[in-house]
Amino acid sequence: GEDVEQSLFLSVREGDSSVINCTYTDSSSTYLYWYKQEPGAGLQLLTYIFSNMDMKQDQRLTVLLNKKDKHLSLRIADTQTGDSAIYFCAVLNAGNNRKLIWGLGTSLAVNP
Amino acid sequence: NAGVTQTPKFQVLKTGQSMTLQCAQDMNHEYMSWYRQDPGMGLRLIHYSVGAGITDQGEVPNGYNVSRSTTEDFPLRLLSAAPSQTSVYFCASSNDGGTAFFGQGTRLTVV
Repeated sequence: GEDVEQSLFLSVREGDSSVINCTYTDSSSTYLYWYKQEPGAGLQLLTYIFSNMDMKQDQRLTVLLNKKDKHLSLRIADTQTGDSAIYFCAVLNAGNNRKLIWGLGTSLAVNP
Repeated sequence: NAGVTQTPKFQVLKTGQSMTLQCAQDMNHEYMSWYRQDPGMGLRLIHYSVGAGITDQGEVPNGYNVSRSTTEDFPLRLLSAAPSQTSVYFCASSNDGGTAFFGQGTRLTVV
């Protein structure tokens, strides 16, 4: 079945850039998402990219999509301690009853 | 703006008890889902609904029931609680399946 994989942990220094990577198997994925979960809270949509796009930028966030390699990345510029959270990659197959396929999440630790 | 409201936030149950986790959304979304989140397991889909009167099983449906009598509400019922159901439960709603709005979660402990 479809699968989404992410590395589980990432540690960066405050002010550096963070890059969180995700690979997926379903080539018919239409939308790809990044969600953020802060401790004790629900998930919050950060950004998404449509499968016919290569890049999307939104303030400090840059999403890159390599459809050929089925690779999605989220870059956070000037990472702050408030960015410490778990980041989930998710992909949507419009034909699969619109169910999201989730990665396990990457825990980002930002060190002062 | 209420968004997705889950109740209760915390619950302790004894093995064998039943209970209902409530989920309500005020955004007129068609899609609603229930997930459980366990350490190292990510989010696992329990049940979902693509509209009022329509529900379907996710990847871990055993021990849970749902119904969708209205667009707004999507309760999750635990029929006979087991320690393996100790988890954090999230309800989500969406208009398109992907841009999901999540509730704050229910932390359930079964002893």
